[in-house]
Amino acid sequence: AQRVTQPEKLLSVFKGAPVELKCNYSYSGSPELFWYVQYSRQRLQLLLRHISRESIKGFTADLNKGETSFHLKKPFAQEEDSAMYYCGAGGTSYGKLTFGQGTILTVHP
Amino acid sequence: ETGVTQSPTHLIKTRGQQVTLRCSSQSGHNTVSWYQQALGQGPQFIFQYYREEENGRGNFPPRFSGLQFPNYSSELNVNALELDDSALYLCASRLIEGTEAFFGQGTRLTVV
Repeated sequence: AQRVTQPEKLLSVFKGAPVELKCNYSYSGSPELFWYVQYSRQRLQLLLRHISRESIKGFTADLNKGETSFHLKKPFAQEEDSAMYYCGAGGTSYGKLTFGQGTILTVHP
Repeated sequence: ETGVTQSPTHLIKTRGQQVTLRCSSQSGHNTVSWYQQALGQGPQFIFQYYREEENGRGNFPPRFSGLQFPNYSSELNVNALELDDSALYLCASRLIEGTEAFFGQGTRLTVV
C-alpha cells in the first residue's frame, strides 16, 4: 500500500536555526515526491518537488531511495516559515497524491 | 490566470442528507481531483476526473460521486451523509501531462 509518513506532528525551532522536516514513503514504482505548504489562512501550495531539484525559499529536499526518505531542510529558519508542511507522493499515470499527516513548523523569534 | 475556486466555503448538513460541492479548475487545466481532509490529517484522495470521466479513485464508497463538465469544472456529490463525512473537501486541478496540482481553498462540510 502507498504510504507517506511524517513522524513529527509538531516541530519548533528558533529563528536562524537549521530545520529538518522528516518524510518517509512506501510506494510501488517510482513515485514523484513533493512538499506542499499551507500558511495560515492560505490554500495548500506546492513548495518543491524532487524532479525539479530546486531550492525554494531556502528549502531543499533530497530524495534518498535507499532509505525511502524525502526530508525537507533549511539551514536558517525564518519566522515566515511557520506553517503546516505536507509531504506527498504521486505516480505519473494519474493524479493521485498520497499525503502524510503533516508537520506544523513554528519558528520562534 | 485564475486559480482554483470552490463553493461554498462552509456548509452544514444533517446526517442522511445529500450534498453537492463545486469546483472551478485553474484556467487551462483539464484534470480535477478531489480530496477529503479530516481534522488533523493530511488530504486523502477521493477521485479524479479527466475529460468528463473518472480515471482514478481512492478508497471511498460509491456514495461519493462526481462530475466534470466540458469547461472542466467539477462537482463532488455525497449521498446519505454520515457524521464522519465532516471534513475539509479540497479540489485540485492540473494538466494531465503534468504532476503539479493546484489546490482550492476548500469547502468545510459539517454533518450534524
